[in-house]
Amino acid sequence: GQQVMQIPQYQHVQEGEDFTTYCNSSTTLSNIQWYKQRPGGHPVFLIQLVKSGEVKKQKRLTFQFGEAKKNSSLHITATQTTDVGTYFCAGPEKTNFGNEKLTFGTGTRLTIIP
Amino acid sequence: NAGVTQTPKFRILKIGQSMTLQCTQDMNHNYMYWYRQDPGMGLKLIYYSVGAGITDKGEVPNGYNVSRSTTEDFPLRLELAAPSQTSVYFCASSHGREAFFGQGTRLTVV
Repeated sequence: GQQVMQIPQYQHVQEGEDFTTYCNSSTTLSNIQWYKQRPGGHPVFLIQLVKSGEVKKQKRLTFQFGEAKKNSSLHITATQTTDVGTYFCAGPEKTNFGNEKLTFGTGTRLTIIP
Repeated sequence: NAGVTQTPKFRILKIGQSMTLQCTQDMNHNYMYWYRQDPGMGLKLIYYSVGAGITDKGEVPNGYNVSRSTTEDFPLRLELAAPSQTSVYFCASSHGREAFFGQGTRLTVV
């Protein structure tokens, strides 16, 4: 089945430093989604990218979808303590029924040193 | 707006006991999912459903069962609980785009 890997698994940064997590799929994706899970919380949807090479921004967060639609990245500029959490990418995978289910990446846990 | 509701929030089970984790969504989503998340780890798909009456296994289905008799409900059944099933369980629903997650059920098997 489809494999979605993320690197790094953990990242500790000083507050104010930048942070990037990378997502790589074993198959071409029709779209990629990003989620954030705060400590003790549940995953919350951040954004979806659909087009090859697409770049979207949300304040200090920049999301990019690779040209081959097999990889993606999330970059946070000037991290703040509110950015703490685990960031997951997720991509659709064909099911036995002909539609798609969501496969999550392994996640990157971000901790901030104040 | 209730979204995805999971009950219970916490549960302690003894080895060999059984229980059902409840999940209800009020967004009329076709897709529903059950994930488990072990401490410090990612989300592993247990079962999913693409509509009422249609379910399929994910990557870690052993020891679990599901049913989907209505669009709204997607209960997860644990038979003969084992310590390896100690985890946080998340239910999610989707209309094919973003997934909405419940608050999770923290299960401990002792």
